[in-house]
Amino acid sequence: EAGVAQSPRYKIIEKRQSVAFWCNPISGHATLYWYQQILGQGPKLLIQFQNNGVVDDSQLPKDRFSAERLKGVDSTLKIQPAKLEDSAVYLCASSLERQMSYGYTFGSGTRLTVV
Amino acid sequence: DQQVKQNSPSLSVQEGRISILNCDYTNSMFDYFLWYKKYPAEGPTFLISISSIKDKNEDGRFTVFLNKSAKHLSLHIVPSQPGDSAVYFCAASAITGTYKYIFGTGTRLKVLA
Repeated sequence: EAGVAQSPRYKIIEKRQSVAFWCNPISGHATLYWYQQILGQGPKLLIQFQNNGVVDDSQLPKDRFSAERLKGVDSTLKIQPAKLEDSAVYLCASSLERQMSYGYTFGSGTRLTVV
Repeated sequence: DQQVKQNSPSLSVQEGRISILNCDYTNSMFDYFLWYKKYPAEGPTFLISISSIKDKNEDGRFTVFLNKSAKHLSLHIVPSQPGDSAVYFCAASAITGTYKYIFGTGTRLKVLA
């Protein structure tokens, strides 16, 4: 089966600019996650979707970050305006609904550098 | 508040020997645990899991041990191979919650040939 697709792989922007990341999960996976991984830290959950509804966005900085999952398939994560501390790898992951034993399948991530 | 901790940022092991990676957690509601492996420029990949009803799970060269009373889990790799060199993350979740995993900060394993 095809994996989780993310684009772009790399992005460099200046602070205060906006940026968007795209994710296409594994076909049939109802649950989609966006994680932020800052260098030297573990992945931190930003937002979790179940189909096209938000399950958990408690750690999403909503003043600058937004995410949507149209039609319960692809998802986009946007940052506007970006700050230096947003430099990180943004990982998208998907899983079958309520399947805990195998965790998530992650994409390769988008590395964002804010200068 | 770091609920999942990996206190060793790095570990070096000789090829053929045992690698032991440790993970501690603070939330007693956690009842499902995973280990992920991550190579540079790739996303983390699932390695092995364990639920709180078990204290050991084995898959080939990889074994995870869970000590609920100590809130501690460990990953044993025997024998270690150079291809095992990667960053290893442990992650924990509460099944009764939103099925989200909290990740530790990772341990970089280097297996020396």
